[in-house]
Amino acid sequence: DAKTTQPNSMESNEEEPVHLPCNHSTISGTDYIHWYRQLPSQGPEYVIHGLTSNVNNRMASLAIAEDRKSSTLILHRATLRDAAVYYCILRVIQGAQKLVFGQGTRLTINP
Amino acid sequence: EPEVTQTPSHQVTQMGQEVILRCVPISNHLYFYWYRQILGQKVEFLVSFYNNEISEKSEIFDDQFSVERPDGSNFTLKIRSTKLEDSAMYFCASRPGTAGNQPQHFGDGTRLSIL
Repeated sequence: DAKTTQPNSMESNEEEPVHLPCNHSTISGTDYIHWYRQLPSQGPEYVIHGLTSNVNNRMASLAIAEDRKSSTLILHRATLRDAAVYYCILRVIQGAQKLVFGQGTRLTINP
Repeated sequence: EPEVTQTPSHQVTQMGQEVILRCVPISNHLYFYWYRQILGQKVEFLVSFYNNEISEKSEIFDDQFSVERPDGSNFTLKIRSTKLEDSAMYFCASRPGTAGNQPQHFGDGTRLSIL
């Protein structure tokens, strides 16, 4: 499974934008970039995914580098509820399509 | 919004006993998964299940583990003879179909404590 690298932790203030980086230099052409988050005492929650183009949804935006070797999850206006561990995962589209979680980035939001 | 439900939320069991963790995936989903997370560690894949059979399993998923979809709605994980190191959060997930970019939907987990 292709590996991703994320900072262990980040901190931001409420109502400010947050940019969470992820490096995936060994990504293959068919790997989708998925982001999940895990709030305290909950299961992982899907946030967003993309292949080549930038993506937006109601939760976040995903900016993908042109060479696809890195991506950034953007929370446009962080709230206290966004405090969680964020996981960047490369998803192969063949087979069982299991998710391989790394350590993720622990995001702290200051009021 | 439909969600994956897991029961019980917390299970306490004596070492060596059998335990069954239950999950109700989202209706009409076709792929089912179990993951576990030992306290303070990463979420780890255990097994995936499709078309009434295991499609992939990890090294963790040894002969002590089994999965079953006994009816059209439940998906269970059985641990035959529990060990202390089986203490963890166990998460069930499901996914709609064969399209490669569909996300997995997770339940809130069962905390398994082995005494």
